[in-house]
Amino acid sequence: GAGVSQSPRYKVAKRGQDVALRCDPISGHVSLFWYQQALGQGPEFLTYFQNEAQLDKSGLPSDRFFAERPEGSVSTLKIQRTQQEDSAVYLCATSGSLAGLVGETQYFGPGTRLLVL
Amino acid sequence: AQTVTQSQPEMSVQEAETVTLSCTYDTSESDYYLFWYKQPPSRQMILVIRQEAYKQQNATENRFSVNFQKAAKSFSLKISDSQLGDAAMYFCASSMDSNYQLIWGAGTKLIIKP
Repeated sequence: GAGVSQSPRYKVAKRGQDVALRCDPISGHVSLFWYQQALGQGPEFLTYFQNEAQLDKSGLPSDRFFAERPEGSVSTLKIQRTQQEDSAVYLCATSGSLAGLVGETQYFGPGTRLLVL
Repeated sequence: AQTVTQSQPEMSVQEAETVTLSCTYDTSESDYYLFWYKQPPSRQMILVIRQEAYKQQNATENRFSVNFQKAAKSFSLKISDSQLGDAAMYFCASSMDSNYQLIWGAGTKLIIKP
């Protein structure tokens, strides 16, 4: 595709439900990042993949958050037993570098806005 | 810890005039990269401009330029000839040599007055 796409664009969940957020990267991009952006704030790093390998998950706020990228392309961020504090925009970003992460431009998807009631 | 600070929650400028958005950062790294991203309402984050810390020359992209003061750890964005389409949230971000994560400021909302 021409850019990073994310689905769904909007998700309303009842507290306690599980949700799955999808990210389709730019074709050929090996690096994939997930960020969480609370209302009125800058994004915060959640996790990073290089191809199918999850190399950094230090930003995941709890063990209810899980991310995967099984074939090194599409990625899914799963949140189990959602809580109200999980309400945020979840951004996916990709870059084309294999190893030169620092300074690489990251290309963002439109985000998934999650509202937990 | 690496931090990025944007002290202006909101700025407004008359169309066709010039506006400067401020950003300061803190790092002990010697090599790093700085970015300005634009996030229009309900649209995706897009890169405006990128600066490599080891380069003395300030980056420029058409109407957008930066004033990079390494000693002061300051990285401001200047938008010349402001246009209505420039209205957005602007985020300053950094990527340090030892950590590829983007560290973000809180953002500045830019309002363009017609």
